[in-house]
Amino acid sequence: GAVVSQHPSWVICKSGTSVKIECRSLDFQATTMFWYRQFPKQSLMLMATSNEGSKATYEQGVEKDKFLINHASLTLSTLTVTSAHPEDSSFYICSARTGGKSEAFFGQGTRLTVV
Amino acid sequence: RKEVEQDPGPFNVPEGATVAFNCTYSNSASQSFFWYRQDCRKEPKLLMSVYSSGNEDGRFTAQLNRASQYISLLIRDSKLSDSATYLCVVNNFNKFYFGSGTKLNVKP
Repeated sequence: GAVVSQHPSWVICKSGTSVKIECRSLDFQATTMFWYRQFPKQSLMLMATSNEGSKATYEQGVEKDKFLINHASLTLSTLTVTSAHPEDSSFYICSARTGGKSEAFFGQGTRLTVV
Repeated sequence: RKEVEQDPGPFNVPEGATVAFNCTYSNSASQSFFWYRQDCRKEPKLLMSVYSSGNEDGRFTAQLNRASQYISLLIRDSKLSDSATYLCVVNNFNKFYFGSGTKLNVKP
């Protein structure tokens, strides 16, 4: 299957700082990338969808100024959590799909802890 | 109303048992459907796509009922390694929505 690499796999940051998470498709061109958040024992919640070269579409209730998404190339998307607070602590996962396939492939996830 | 609903379980079954999960979705215009598997603290991995005609991959059988808007996954001859959370996923207009997952515990 297609490989999606997410970095870092875990990060601890101080409250008020910003954290950038990278998501790369290694062996295919990702026309669409998705960012999810998963709290313990809950399902993955879609935060936003981004298509290469255009602005991300955010789900209702997700602050676009807090969660900055950039999808500048067909192999890289970044999520920046700005002014992080402890309640932002969660498991963030990206996924990517190419136009030729209907399924999406996931990165390994990033466990963010804000202290 | 949630896009995708699943029974969270857990389903506790002995090795060798047959177990079935169902999932319902709310948007009748949904285009494609999948089952993903997620192990504890790991990312989801695609288990199989679900087609209207039903499809089988080894011990796993998936079915889609568009009229009733539900998807099923059947696991035969359960193995210990099947223990995981199974996520029902629905694609609506290029957005993937996940169910909360059904936890399966296969015991010796």
